[in-house]
Amino acid sequence: AQRVTQPEKLLSVFKGAPVELKCNYSYSGSPELFWYVQYSRQRLQLLLRHISRESIKGFTADLNKGETSFHLKKPFAQEEDSAMYYCALAVKAAGNKLTFGGGTRVLVKP
Amino acid sequence: DAGITQSPRHKVTETGTPVTLRCHQTENHRYMYWYRQDPGHGLRLIHYSYGVKDTDKGEVSDGYSVSRSKTEDFLLTLESATSSQTSVYFCAISEPSTSATYEQYFGPGTRLTVT
Repeated sequence: AQRVTQPEKLLSVFKGAPVELKCNYSYSGSPELFWYVQYSRQRLQLLLRHISRESIKGFTADLNKGETSFHLKKPFAQEEDSAMYYCALAVKAAGNKLTFGGGTRVLVKP
Repeated sequence: DAGITQSPRHKVTETGTPVTLRCHQTENHRYMYWYRQDPGHGLRLIHYSYGVKDTDKGEVSDGYSVSRSKTEDFLLTLESATSSQTSVYFCAISEPSTSATYEQYFGPGTRLTVT
């Protein structure tokens, strides 16, 4: 069975500092990985997917199959980045069910 | 926001009572999911549906049942609520494609408290 681990429950950084959220996964097949974000009082929404190789709101994430990681990075954090972030792994053959990590709360201080 | 609503948005109920949560979508997506969100556990899949009357269990399905009699509605029922089912419940939808994995869109959530 697949598993997603986010080792940090809370990350507190100052505005303008870099931020990196760690995500490690275990899965025997070819993974499809995502980062979802939940801002205060808002619903969960997709931030990034690894297949797109895109940068959204200044965030990037690279899939490292050797290290089974999909860390999320932003070089200069902004106060509006304060939110809950979830790493998730999808298994397409199994109804596209998502397996989520435990989440990391990011707090960007002014 | 994708056309997904959940009702009720908040509910307080007593141990042992039945509870039904409703997820309604206007996107005509085939797949629907119920998750629960708990601190430290992230979101965990309870049940999902891949079409009308087609449902399957997720990783935390004990104590929950679901029904999907039409495309737009997916009901989650707690037959006899327990305090361990106090949580925030999220519904999600997705539409399969022939290419890449399809995105899931989430509802606003239902906060359930079992006293």
